[in-house]
Amino acid sequence: DTAVSQTPKYLVTQMGNDKSIKCEQNLGHDTMYWYKQDSKKFLKIMFSYNNKELIINETVPNRFSPKSPDKAHLNLHINSLELGDSAVYFCASSQQTGFTGELFFGEGSRLTVL
Amino acid sequence: DAKTTQPTSMDCAEGRAANLPCNHSTISGNEYVYWYRQIHSQGPQYIIHGLKNNETNEMASLIITEDRKSSTLILPHATLRDTAVYYCIVRAPPNAGGTSYGKLTFGQGTILTVHP
Repeated sequence: DTAVSQTPKYLVTQMGNDKSIKCEQNLGHDTMYWYKQDSKKFLKIMFSYNNKELIINETVPNRFSPKSPDKAHLNLHINSLELGDSAVYFCASSQQTGFTGELFFGEGSRLTVL
Repeated sequence: DAKTTQPTSMDCAEGRAANLPCNHSTISGNEYVYWYRQIHSQGPQYIIHGLKNNETNEMASLIITEDRKSSTLILPHATLRDTAVYYCIVRAPPNAGGTSYGKLTFGQGTILTVHP
């Protein structure tokens, strides 16, 4: 079983469209994250949720709206897509209690905006 | 979080030890050193972390100098599947500051290529 799974793996869309990426973890973790890896391969945190509550928001445009229906899921909705949104988006999870610094990442969702 | 400096790329022969250095001369006394790697087209993978003592697990060993200003990740018997980008990250203790515990700042890392 995949620990952190994201769908879709690839997403190609036009500028101005709205799209969502879904993430689920079956590790029983209480904290989930979205990271973005741009074309230069830099990996940066966007959001973090702990038990469905937003705890990290790294100055991400309002067009990005994370939603956590429960602690095993963290979805990312993006409105009015722009060319600069093209990137690989990684979901990750960890356990807050006794956190060791280990994040478990998904395989990534490659978003291409045309 | 302290800044880290790593070589852009390194090569290693299969079966030999791969020694990946990391400089973190501005590290604070309570900051940990973490290593992650990212194999092509996959998500980052945690390898190991340490504070001041050397650490070893099933994947690698971490050697931290006594002054903690640098460290070396050692893959004792590199295989072709170890070809990846290796990231050295320095950050505050997991629960320090409360909300930032999951925030990892990834630099450019070292591209390790293992040759047959």
